[in-house]
Amino acid sequence: DTGVSQDPRHKITKRGQNVTFRCDPISEHNRLYWYRQTLGQGPEFLTYFQNEAQLEKSRLLSDRFSAERPKGSFSTLEIQRTEQGDSAMYLCASSSLAGVGEQYFGPGTRLTVT
Amino acid sequence: AQKVTQAQTEISVVEKEDVTLDCVYETRDTTYYLFWYKQPPSGELVFLIRRNSFDEQNEISGRYSWNFQKSTSSFNFTITASQVVDSAVYFCAPSARENAGNMLTFGGGTRLMVKP
Repeated sequence: DTGVSQDPRHKITKRGQNVTFRCDPISEHNRLYWYRQTLGQGPEFLTYFQNEAQLEKSRLLSDRFSAERPKGSFSTLEIQRTEQGDSAMYLCASSSLAGVGEQYFGPGTRLTVT
Repeated sequence: AQKVTQAQTEISVVEKEDVTLDCVYETRDTTYYLFWYKQPPSGELVFLIRRNSFDEQNEISGRYSWNFQKSTSSFNFTITASQVVDSAVYFCAPSARENAGNMLTFGGGTRLMVKP
């Protein structure tokens, strides 16, 4: 299977702890996106990379959030000092640089902050 | 900034009925793309269709068809002869302009329930 993969699928953490999620995009895709989805809502854009460069960040991405994509392959999203409001599904998507490029999504990481 | 309105929060139909999901969007971009995604109970978003803003030709793909009208900023999606497996949340999403990475702006979604 060459789809987008995310790890872990579920994460339960206590408030104040740091968490890190990983996303492996489709191998030939240059663009990688992170979205956040809360219950009953549509996904909201957080940030995106073109190769290793982080080119856009949403205002939703507070300074407790940081994302990296070393070498333009997999990406990590870290949340420091988690808060209960961070509880959500974190979705990763990738797309080809050619044309518009529909985005293909991974299964997501569900974060629960207790 | 873009905005998407999916006024139908929930639709319930009986199998084999046709169903149309409405989407109205706002954008300041002159060139953009519109997408429909499906999110089944398993949670993974699945790409369904894409439409360019400069091409208003409506198309049919299998049981799916879509009606794009730029003048009214609407991009409606129809499933013909619905099946139980079509039960999911459907999202309409315009993408931002090219130099903003084509990030997607999702609506609130329409939950479709197809009953046998």
